[in-house]
Amino acid sequence: NAGVTQTPKFRVLKTGQSMTLLCAQDMNHEYMYWYRQDPGMGLRLIHYSVGEGTTAKGEVPDGYNVSRLKKQNFLLGLESAAPSQTSVYFCASRTGTANSPLHFGNGTRLTVT
Amino acid sequence: DAKTTQPNSMESNEEEPVHLPCNHSTISGTDYIHWYRQLPSQGPEYVIHGLTSNVNNRMASLAIAEDRKSSTLILHRATLRDAAVYYCILSDQTGANNLFFGTGTRLTVIP
Repeated sequence: NAGVTQTPKFRVLKTGQSMTLLCAQDMNHEYMYWYRQDPGMGLRLIHYSVGEGTTAKGEVPDGYNVSRLKKQNFLLGLESAAPSQTSVYFCASRTGTANSPLHFGNGTRLTVT
Repeated sequence: DAKTTQPNSMESNEEEPVHLPCNHSTISGTDYIHWYRQLPSQGPEYVIHGLTSNVNNRMASLAIAEDRKSSTLILHRATLRDAAVYYCILSDQTGANNLFFGTGTRLTVIP
């Protein structure tokens, strides 16, 4: 099993450009999450999904959109990138059982110039 | 959401036990205590979690105070590979049980 795979690993965008980050998991997990981590800080929850076709806002959803069309994939979109969105983005997934462990990908490092 | 307080950093000598403290004085009765760690340039990984009783697994032990206002993650024998940022997080039993990460404790292991 590959676990949680994030693509791309690195990306540089110019202000105003758009992009989509892909998260794929092969563990048949119900729940999926997108977090961002800024230097010296913990992770902040952007959006999450409790099942295929459903999404919900986390702590810092502004400027991002998500979609969960297939159970195994969770996409994070930036429609008009801003320098404040320069960060490392982590995807995670878990089963639907309460308090089941989160499984994280290795992150996507995004720089917006 | 209930908050946790952890020291910013700790040091330990290799092959010695490490006790990482966490205060959560506003914890509610249904909040579970979770610990994750993040190695350099990687995503966080699950370590352990518990509600009231002490818990053990192959990675660590979790000691929970009787009043549940604090807990301690115990690494029985620190190795260089244990150098990481350790996060203590509370999750409740409502909704999606989302986990909100703080800044954690940076553990340095000295050879």
